[in-house]
Amino acid sequence: DGGITQSPKYLFRKEGQNVTLSCEQNLNHDAMYWYRQDPGQGLRLIYYSQIVNDFQKGDIAEGYSVSREKKESFPLTVTSAQKNPTAFYLCASSKVGVYNEQFFGPGTRLTVL
Amino acid sequence: GQQLNQSPQSMFIQEGEDVSMNCTSSSIFNTWLWYKQDPGEGPVLLIALYKAGELTSNGRLTAQFGITRKDSFLNISASIPSDVGIYFCAGQLGSGGGADGLTFGKGTHLIIQP
Repeated sequence: DGGITQSPKYLFRKEGQNVTLSCEQNLNHDAMYWYRQDPGQGLRLIYYSQIVNDFQKGDIAEGYSVSREKKESFPLTVTSAQKNPTAFYLCASSKVGVYNEQFFGPGTRLTVL
Repeated sequence: GQQLNQSPQSMFIQEGEDVSMNCTSSSIFNTWLWYKQDPGEGPVLLIALYKAGELTSNGRLTAQFGITRKDSFLNISASIPSDVGIYFCAGQLGSGGGADGLTFGKGTHLIIQP
């Protein structure tokens, strides 16, 4: 089955620790994205990547870092510099072209204690 | 960044009723998308709109891309219990083959009373 996987579903970390969220896709999509969702809010763009070894900051990139070493993978690191890291994190992927609708993974809920 | 104003924030309706929700923006978008999200899950794509004025249906769902490129609406006909959830509109600036991030509305929470 083609799709996007995110792991783990729930993640708990102590304040001050860095944590890396996994995102893998087997849809052969060139572009991948990370969004953050807070309760009662829409999604906000953190980072996106249109091609391997290249990525761009989104609207709320401060305190986050990403890498894109493989087409299938786009891990997100939440660093200790992120002031309010507790949130629901969603990964998406899309083709690059005119019809580039984004498809989402199931999400990772991060709670920082 | 850009902002999308989505309304209504929530809707309480009876099963079988039709539903209408919309999004407006101060900026032009080249693509409008509508998603549905269940609690604790990722959004699921319902309809994608790529041309101003375009009207597209997906089963009981119909969405339109406003002629000004600054708005879109979603209609759901004859609602059923599984329509319950949060509906998001999203706009994308990218054109000419690029792929950039989406700007999301804050969602419409649909609640259906049997």
